Amino acid sequence: DTGVSQNPRHKITKRGQNVTFRCDPISEHNRLYWYRQTLGQGPEFLTYFQNEAQLEKSRLLSDRFSAERPKGSFSTLEIQRTEQGDSAMYLCASSPIPYEQYFGPGTRLTVT
Amino acid sequence: AQKVTQAQTEISVVEKEDVTLDCVYETRDTTYYLFWYKQPPSGELVFLIRRNSFDEQNEISGRYSWNFQKSTSSFNFTITASQVVDSAVYFCALSEAPQGGSEKLVFGKGTKLTVNP
Repeated sequence: DTGVSQNPRHKITKRGQNVTFRCDPISEHNRLYWYRQTLGQGPEFLTYFQNEAQLEKSRLLSDRFSAERPKGSFSTLEIQRTEQGDSAMYLCASSPIPYEQYFGPGTRLTVT
Repeated sequence: AQKVTQAQTEISVVEKEDVTLDCVYETRDTTYYLFWYKQPPSGELVFLIRRNSFDEQNEISGRYSWNFQKSTSSFNFTITASQVVDSAVYFCALSEAPQGGSEKLVFGKGTKLTVNP
């Protein structure tokens, strides 16, 4: 399967702990996006990479959130000192050209 | 500012009925793209269609059809002869042509479609 992959698929953590998610885009896709989806809502944009450069961040991305794409391939999203409000599905998408995003299966985070 | 409104939160139909999902958008740009995605219970977003703002032709793909009307800022989606497998949450999304930014998607809240046998 050569689609976007995300790991882990599910993560349960206690409030205050740090968590890290990984996204592996489709090979040779230079654009990579992170979105967050809460229950009953549509996905909301968090951040965007073109190759290894982080070019845009949403105001939703507080100081506790950090994302990297060190070699322009996979990306990680870290949340420090998790809060219950961080519970959501975190979606990654990659794109070879503008306006053609392919989504991964998501990582569901539950903060207890 | 970009905004997408899907006024129908949930729709329930019986198999073989036709169903239309509404989408209304707001944008200040003259160049933009509109999308529909399907999210089945498994959670993965599945791309259905992309339409740019200069192409108002309606499109048909099998049982799916889309009606784009710039005059009313709407991009509605119709499923003909619905099937149980069509049960999912459907999202309409908008992307503006960026000025050095990303082509991020702005999603509506989605419409949950349930097709009963």
